[in-house]
Amino acid sequence: SYVLTQPPSVSVAPGKTARITCGGNNIGSKSVHWYQQKPGQAPVLVIYYDSDRPSGIPERFSGSNSGNTATLTISRVEAGDEADYYCQVWDSSSDHPLVFGGGTKLTVL
Amino acid sequence: EVQLVESGGGLVQPGRSLRLSCTASGFTFGDYAMSWFRQAPGKGLEWVGFIRSKAYGGTTEYAASVKGRFTISRDDSKSIAYLQMNSLKTEDTAVYYCTRLYCSSTSCYGDAFDIWGQGTMVTVSS
Repeated sequence: SYVLTQPPSVSVAPGKTARITCGGNNIGSKSVHWYQQKPGQAPVLVIYYDSDRPSGIPERFSGSNSGNTATLTISRVEAGDEADYYCQVWDSSSDHPLVFGGGTKLTVL
Repeated sequence: EVQLVESGGGLVQPGRSLRLSCTASGFTFGDYAMSWFRQAPGKGLEWVGFIRSKAYGGTTEYAASVKGRFTISRDDSKSIAYLQMNSLKTEDTAVYYCTRLYCSSTSCYGDAFDIWGQGTMVTVSS
């Protein structure tokens, strides 16, 4: 089955830029979605179709996807961005068609 | 306001059954596929399964870990999706979330889950 690899943790100072990667075989050929989950809360969609932002998500959140790596970029990081972030794709060739990365804990220093 | 509210969670013994409900409001329920996810304590997100809208056949797909034990259904007249869980195991202990999925194709593959409920806790223990 298709595997998505995320770094377990990323740390960044307030005001700086955080980049969270999601690796997968030829992931650039798939649509990648990103979810933010704060402690004790349900996940929230922050990026869909690689780089689109749902309404209400700040422009500081952006995404890209090419080759074997998709990236969620958070500019001008704020304390409130501290959360777990998950990437997700569909893999139609698998009997387990929906795949999540293992999640990345973003810590704001 | 678009909202999903799960209910029906609780403590259940291994081998028993439990049915979760997901009540939707603020959108045309019948236009969307509905999906269930779960998250074991301290773990990541795991997809459980989903049911397509009637327009796309109302068919279902499940993760291998629950196939044959869990069943997803929907009542469009009540705007409710259900997750029937049978033969529960201790490893089914998790917070269960329902989500909506607007399918851009018959398969629904490729689309994102834009609205999530707050979750309901299921604990399987003797």
